[in-house]
This record gives sequence, structure tokens and C-alpha cells, in this order.
Amino acid sequence: DAGITQSPRHKVTETGTPVTLRCHQTENHRYMYWYRQDPGHGLRLIHYSYGVKDTDKGEVSDGYSVSRSKTEDFLLTLESATSSQTSVYFCAISEGLAETQYFGPGTRLLVL
Amino acid sequence: AQSVAQPEDQVNVAEGNPLTVKCTYSVSGNPYLFWYVQYPNRGLQFLLKYITGDNLVKGSYGFEAEFNKSQTSFHLKKPSALVSDSALYFCAVRDRSKAAGNKLTFGGGTRVLVKP
Repeated sequence: DAGITQSPRHKVTETGTPVTLRCHQTENHRYMYWYRQDPGHGLRLIHYSYGVKDTDKGEVSDGYSVSRSKTEDFLLTLESATSSQTSVYFCAISEGLAETQYFGPGTRLLVL
Repeated sequence: AQSVAQPEDQVNVAEGNPLTVKCTYSVSGNPYLFWYVQYPNRGLQFLLKYITGDNLVKGSYGFEAEFNKSQTSFHLKKPSALVSDSALYFCAVRDRSKAAGNKLTFGGGTRVLVKP
């Protein structure tokens, strides 16, 4: 988890409210990723970024948006949270395309 | 499309016995392969990876994995399991071709329980 922090670590919210999760890195890595972890599904990629203001969709991007205005910060926004978005969210970083991805400690989100 | 299968939801092993966690993959090109471990309420920790070269890869905490192209497998092994190895293990694959982008696909995970 060194070099990657996520905030908040836990959040409870209500259906229909906006939620923003933050990932912060101190490694100056180019690539940043957001995953969600659900039982039986492993980790699934939501969005990723390959540079400041450069982002692309993953396999489960519906209902999520991202922004990266600085190298060190990658934000994940749920515009209108739904119960199906209850999950554990992980941020990851990597130096390059073929490089290992390193993960943050996770954010546990409960949407009531 | 790339995919990963971890056929066992859980593996039980006695401490001191060999541990194997199975992983098979499917990619259209050549793969990069990874193993990660997750302890309770923690993020994923990198164990080892196969990029190219020797099919036997050695990683952290005494783990190793063997890349078998003909069987499209990348099983994780440890000769002598410890109780502290009890955790959730994930295999992941990325297709090397540029068209595949930098998307890592994970298996569903295998829970390892090492009993004293």
C-alpha cells in the first residue's frame, strides 16, 4: 500500500446521492486505475488514466466517471449512487503498460 | 477478449504441506501473467509475474509459479505452506498486444486456508 492512499476508507450513503472517491499517489506513476471488488467476480476495471486528463473506460464503467487533473490524484465519481454500486473500490498505479500494478488499501462503500 | 479462470473457490492444506493454486487463462496474443494476494481488509499485494523468459517464476514469501503455454496455465505453488499464507489469491492476465490496451483481467479468486 506504500505510496497510494485512498479516501475515504469507509462510506455509507443513500441511493441517488453523488459520491466521490479519491486516490492519491506519491510515486509519480503515469497510469492509474479504479477497480471494484465483488464476491465471485475478482476485481473489475471501472476506468483508468494514462496521463493527466487522459482517461478511458474499463469493463464496468456505466454509472461512473473519473477525472485526473494532476498526476498524483485520480477521482472516481458516482453521479447518482445505486445499491448495485455497493462494493469495495481499489485504486492501482503502474509506471507503464507492461509494469506491475500496485494497489491502494481500498474504500468500502455501502449504498442504502 | 481475455479471461482468467481460477477453478477452486477454496483450497485447504495442512501447514508444512505443498500448496498449489490453479489458474488458466485465455488471450488472443501472448500473455503477461500476475499473482496477487489479499489479506483481510487489505489491498492486493503483488507476489510475482511472468513477462518472458524462464517459465518458472519465483516471487515473494517463497511462492513460485510455472507458465505453461500449451496448457494456458499459470499455477501458483509453495513447497511448504504456513498458517500465515491463509489469504485470498488472485491470478491476472494482460494481453501483450497493443490493441488490448493496458487492461488487467482478474480471476474470481481462491481462498487458501492453511491449518496448523
